[in-house]
Amino acid sequence: NAGVTQTPKFQVLKTGQSMTLQCAQDMNHNSMYWYRQDPGMGLRLIYYSASEGTTDKGEVPNGYNVSRLNKREFSLRLESAAPSQTSVYFCASSVRTDTEAFFGQGTRLTVV
Amino acid sequence: QKEVEQNSGPLSVPEGAIASLNCTYSDRVSQSFFWYRQYSGKSPELIMSIYSNGDKEDGRFTAQLNKASQYVSLLIRDSQPSDSATYLCAVIPGDAGNMLTFGGGTRLMVKP
Repeated sequence: NAGVTQTPKFQVLKTGQSMTLQCAQDMNHNSMYWYRQDPGMGLRLIYYSASEGTTDKGEVPNGYNVSRLNKREFSLRLESAAPSQTSVYFCASSVRTDTEAFFGQGTRLTVV
Repeated sequence: QKEVEQNSGPLSVPEGAIASLNCTYSDRVSQSFFWYRQYSGKSPELIMSIYSNGDKEDGRFTAQLNKASQYVSLLIRDSQPSDSATYLCAVIPGDAGNMLTFGGGTRLMVKP
């Protein structure tokens, strides 16, 4: 039982490059989330999708876009990477937005 | 603004001692409370949930909830070096449509 799977696990980008982080869950959850985690900053919500077909901004959405491709998959896109986007990115999912979330293993992104 | 506050630590306890981790929250009508454990370089892992006032025990872990005082705590009995991690408190506010809100986490160090 894989749970929440993120790809890639590690990525190095040059400033201005674009990339998409992929996330898939096999728990039949309705809601999915993208967080970033920086030292001393805790988890910060970038975007979330309460249900298939909807997406909403979180606390730190600037510089990111998301797509809820279907019920299982939720991708995060960086159109023009900046060094300030160097972080660890976590995807998570939950049955609903008012229930506990389960996390993927994370993507460590470095923008140089 | 709904907030969840934790002391960032580190909290250092000797092996075999009881570790006590505390969390306060600002939204009086919050109904669901969770503790996540995050090892260094890993993703948050749900370890405890509590919904009613009082204590909830699971092995060496006890979650305590006091809604009147708006705090939730996690006790770890017989602490082991393998318990060394950051512990994240998470709360779901009571308003409809609200989502999991994380504290900044407390780093626990269990010394052999």
